[in-house]
Parts: sequence; structure tokens; C-alpha cells
Amino acid sequence: GAVVSQHPSWVICKSGTSVKIECRSLDFQATTMFWYRQFPKQSLMLMATSNEGSKATYEQGVEKDKFLINHASLTLSTLTVTSAHPEDSSFYICSALTLSQETQYFGPGTRLLVL
Amino acid sequence: QKEVEQDPGPLSVPEGAIVSLNCTYSNSAFQYFMWYRQYSRKGPELLMYTYSSGNKEDGRFTAQVDKSSKYISLFIRDSQPSDSATYLCAMSGNAGNMLTFGGGTRLMVKP
Repeated sequence: GAVVSQHPSWVICKSGTSVKIECRSLDFQATTMFWYRQFPKQSLMLMATSNEGSKATYEQGVEKDKFLINHASLTLSTLTVTSAHPEDSSFYICSALTLSQETQYFGPGTRLLVL
Repeated sequence: QKEVEQDPGPLSVPEGAIVSLNCTYSNSAFQYFMWYRQYSRKGPELLMYTYSSGNKEDGRFTAQVDKSSKYISLFIRDSQPSDSATYLCAMSGNAGNMLTFGGGTRLMVKP
């Protein structure tokens, strides 16, 4: 099956610093990747849709200047949490859409803790 | 009212039992239906994918979609302790569109 990786798997940072999370589709190309956020015991909340070569589309309430998304190639999308604060601590998960556009495959997630 | 409703559980069953997980939805435009399994602190893993109404079987898993009732189900036969996880239903109106998730049902299979 299709494999999506994320790096790092977990990160601890100080308040005010920026953190970059990478999402890679390892064995397929993805023109579209999605970024989700998940709080404990809650379902996934879509943050933004990342399209290769164009600007990301953000969901209502998600600050685009705080959560910078770059989708530079068909296999890589990055999410940068700028000036992170403790309330940004969460589980961030990406998914990649196969070129047939039928299914999304999820990465293993990145756990972010901002102190 | 949420677009996709899913009983959060937890659902506790003995090993070997048949498990029935369900979601109801309100948006009649949904055509693509998926079930994901998520273990604690891991990303969701695609289990089943169904387009429109009907049944689909894969090993111990069977997915059913009843669009007339706006109701989807996932059945797990001969449940195993390793099936203990949170199961998320998800759906979309068009291929490639954003998914709308249910809240997830936590399943515990006891040996």
C-alpha cells in the first residue's frame, strides 16, 4: 500500500521558536496533501489543503501566517509552525492523495510540545 | 448537528466477537466512504474504501453503505485484541475532496 512518512515524529520546542514538519509520499506522487490537527480523544481537524506548485487553501479559523505550508514537489509538503506557543501543542498529521484521487493515505503524525 | 455522527464508545467486546461500527451522515452528496483505524499516538490507517452504496469485504472486515438511510457500517469478524483501536469513518462528495470525519469509536477487544 501507499506509504506516507512524517519527520520528525515528535518535537519539543521553546515558546516563540518555529518548527518545521515534513510530509513525504514515499512510493507514489501526490498533487494534493492535507494537514490535520488532532487533540487528545478527538477526531482529526483539517487545517489546510496543500497543492503542489500553488498556495495552500486554509480552513476557516486557521491562521495562514502562523501555519506556513509549502508543497514544492509531488512527494513533499512541509508545515512550519511559526512562533509556536503552548496552545499549538498538538498531534499534527498529514495525508497524501493518490493521483487517481480516490483515497488519502495518512502519515504517522508528529507530536509537538511547546514549552 | 454534526455532518457525520459516530458513537464514541468505548465499545468493549470479548475476543472472537463480531463487532459492528456505524456512522450516520446528513449530507446526501457524500459518495465516497472510508474506514480508518487509528492506534494510540499513530496516524490513521486506511482499512476500507467504498464508492456509493453496497458491500465490500476484505478478510475479516466488511463495509456496508446504505445511501438511502445515510448509514454506513464496518463489521469485524473474529475480533482480536490487536483490533483494539479507534475507528474513524470518513466520507467525501467527490474523489479528491476533503474528507469529513466522524468523531471515532474506540474499540477494546479483551482476550
